[in-house]
Formats: sequence, structure tokens, C-alpha cells
Amino acid sequence: DQQVKQNSPSLSVQEGRISILNCDYTNSMFDYFLWYKKYPAEGPTFLISISSIKDKNEDGRFTVFLNKSAKHLSLHIVPSQPGDSAVYFCAAHAGGGTSYGKLTFGQGTILTVHP
Amino acid sequence: NAGVTQTPKFQVLKTGQSMTLQCAQDMNHEYMSWYRQDPGMGLRLIHYSVGAGITDQGEVPNGYNVSRSTTEDFPLRLLSAAPSQTSVYFCASSPLADPWNEQFFGPGTRLTVL
Repeated sequence: DQQVKQNSPSLSVQEGRISILNCDYTNSMFDYFLWYKKYPAEGPTFLISISSIKDKNEDGRFTVFLNKSAKHLSLHIVPSQPGDSAVYFCAAHAGGGTSYGKLTFGQGTILTVHP
Repeated sequence: NAGVTQTPKFQVLKTGQSMTLQCAQDMNHEYMSWYRQDPGMGLRLIHYSVGAGITDQGEVPNGYNVSRSTTEDFPLRLLSAAPSQTSVYFCASSPLADPWNEQFFGPGTRLTVL
């Protein structure tokens, strides 16, 4: 049972345009959401996060939007650059108790930004 | 400051062999964890630790053992390797205060079990 889903395996975007990566979740206990970026042969690196008490968080070219009623979050990259080409993972955390610290990841979306 | 290091980078095993994947971090993080990444599955939590001497199971613990004798090291042991354990393994660490926040990942170990 996939509690965090990234339904688009891949996304192709032109340099300078907006990239929108989507993520859906089913567990209403998730209280914190993160995006990680992964280049080939490297470990994932943290990109941006959002608490469930917010609906938007911005960091430079990256913005994450959270729609709790729809159990949906998205990552916007504006403007997209060729160096953004990587696999992007959405992850979620269910606060407290036995779930403390455990992240549930989506399947990942391969983003390709063309020059 | 090396961050999170993992050895080896690549390993090929035969079914039934045992081995230990090494993970070390130099950031004095209390929280450490092991994930495996499989195509179409994302990363799945195997085991985790909130400090020296304390470990617990994640989502897919079967076939794996861990121990945490020091803050720095968190080795993952495969007792009797199976082809289903062919995967890329990532170790991660973070401060205990907010382990749900930025977790620092190692470069990974690519394991093939024949």
C-alpha cells in the first residue's frame, strides 16, 4: 500500500520554464513533507520541506505547495535550469509515537530540463 | 567534515553469503537509518536508531540486522543474502531533535545478489 505516490514517472521541461512535480498521499497522520533531489550515483539531498500547518514554503527558485484537503503537494521550480535534471522524491513524516523520524517516500519523478 | 560515508560502493554476493554494509557519520547525529531503493518503489526504511544501543525496525526489516555501538557507526548486516535483496542501499543521519527534517544521505552501496 503506497501511502505516498508520485504518479508521473518522468517530466520533460524547457530551460527557463516552470517545472511542476506532484505528490499525493493517503495517510492523514502525515504532518511534515519534504522534497529530496537525487543525481545518479549519489545519495538524495534535501531540497525543501513544509509543515502541515502551512500551505506554502518558498526557497529561491523552489516553492512547495500543500493542499491538505486534497492530500496533495507540489514542487514548483521557476525558472528551470539544466542542472535541475535529477530524480525528485517526495517524502512524508507522521509525527510522534512509533513513527518518530520515519520517512515514507514516493516512487520518484525523473525531471529532464532541456537547454 | 566527510558527512555520511558508506562502504563498499559496489558488492556482488552469491545467494546465502553474508556481509556487512558499513555506514559512518562525523556530524554527531543521534538518528541514523538504512533505506533501500528499488525501481518503482522509492526508498523504503529498513532499520533505524535513535542513539547508541537503541535500534528498531522499519518498513522492510526481514533479512537484515543492525547494531549501534557508537554514535558514529551504524552497520547493516545481511545474514544470508537472497536475490530479492539486490538493491541500492542508503544510510542517512540527522539530529534527534528533528529527525523528520533534513536527513543527510550517504552515496549508497549497490548490491547484487546472484
